[in-house]
Amino acid sequence: DTGVSQDPRHKITKRGQNVTFRCDPISEHNRLYWYRQTLGQGPEFLTYFQNEAQLEKSRLLSDRFSAERPKGSFSTLEIQRTEQGDSAMYLCASSRTENTEAFFGQGTRLTVV
Amino acid sequence: TQLLEQSPQFLSIQEGENLTVYCNSSSVFSSLQWYRQEPGEGPVLLVTVVTGGEVKKLKRLTFQFGDARKDSSLHITAAQPGDTGLYLCAGWGYSGGGADGLTFGKGTHLIIQP
Repeated sequence: DTGVSQDPRHKITKRGQNVTFRCDPISEHNRLYWYRQTLGQGPEFLTYFQNEAQLEKSRLLSDRFSAERPKGSFSTLEIQRTEQGDSAMYLCASSRTENTEAFFGQGTRLTVV
Repeated sequence: TQLLEQSPQFLSIQEGENLTVYCNSSSVFSSLQWYRQEPGEGPVLLVTVVTGGEVKKLKRLTFQFGDARKDSSLHITAAQPGDTGLYLCAGWGYSGGGADGLTFGKGTHLIIQP
């Protein structure tokens, strides 16, 4: 296993369009996290899954955002009706269980024009 | 209010110098992790500290977890240009509630000049 994989690495979209990102975690990891990072800031928590169950969502996750992890393996993060303020790096991480080491993917850089 | 305060925010030093960056909080964390991130890439895990007072060494990097598990430091000896990057601390188990994920500081931007 080569670690957490995210696709695409870069996405440029026009305001108002929908975008979807994919994350493939490390295979034996039960927990999967989504974070958003803007320039000069640390990552901010968006949501996480324990297997297929979405257990918590940050207040940062507006109703335009939805995340799924249908079979407890890969996850998708969809943003509907994108806004310029959605431009950021979207990071996915996975860990074996709670409070164990979390490993990040390379991120998806979203630019909304 | 940032749960994890990192200082300094920016640091630029010459190759060969020593430096220390800090990660402080008023909250107790069950463990802290340190990451290094390069532009356009995801954070890469450097170390996890779990026990209060714990010291871990990774080549020229020394990590310490405070006795009360509220703070941590990273000391780099004889810094090299390859150490340049954004250093992030992140904590599990914020005892005050909130998101059940890693809580990050804003990071220390470190530049090592040749």
